[in-house]
Amino acid sequence: GNSVTQMEGPVTLSEEAFLTINCTYTATGYPSLFWYVQYPGEGLQLLLKATKADDKGSNKGFEATYRKETTSFHLEKGSVQVSDSAVYFCALPMYSGYSTLTFGKGTMLLVSP
Amino acid sequence: GAVVSQHPSRVICKSGTSVKIECRSLDFQATTMFWYRQFPKQSLMLMATSNEGSKATYEQGVEKDKFLINHASLTLSTLTVTSAHPEDSSFYICSALRQGEANTEAFFGQGTRLTVV
Repeated sequence: GNSVTQMEGPVTLSEEAFLTINCTYTATGYPSLFWYVQYPGEGLQLLLKATKADDKGSNKGFEATYRKETTSFHLEKGSVQVSDSAVYFCALPMYSGYSTLTFGKGTMLLVSP
Repeated sequence: GAVVSQHPSRVICKSGTSVKIECRSLDFQATTMFWYRQFPKQSLMLMATSNEGSKATYEQGVEKDKFLINHASLTLSTLTVTSAHPEDSSFYICSALRQGEANTEAFFGQGTRLTVV
């Protein structure tokens, strides 16, 4: 099945710093790619997604570009805020054409004032 | 976006008892729901796929007799942890699949923190 690898955290940044969280994937074909965010004590929320190569997903200042050449979907934000502190998960369908997602291990982001 | 409600958000139970967790899709019908388990500081592990009107499909290593899943309607799936033990303590998250003409998207509940004492 498909799989995803993302950088381990925690990532600790000061407010307004630039954020990159790396995510690479192994997949059959070109599945949709997702980033989910989990705030403390809560479930997952879809942050952004990209459905085909070269697509850029964006939301709340976060961006990620689907790059098939490098099989990557890195998450970036130009200026993080304290409220962005959360765990971020990269995900894709477990199998081609399958709707269940498989998740990376998650990267905790801690932003200090 | 669509709303998936999970209840309870937190439960503490005694060892040997059973606990039922509900997952409801509030504003759409979901023929397929998923149950995940998340250990502290780890990723989500798929436990089972719940299909309305049929038996759930369990992932390898998940005991179907311990984790009973029922998906009796298009808006409700339940996970019952039977004869719970402390090692069952975990964060359980459900997701419901909204299948539309344009795309299919999974929406997640807010999770249930189960503590078995």
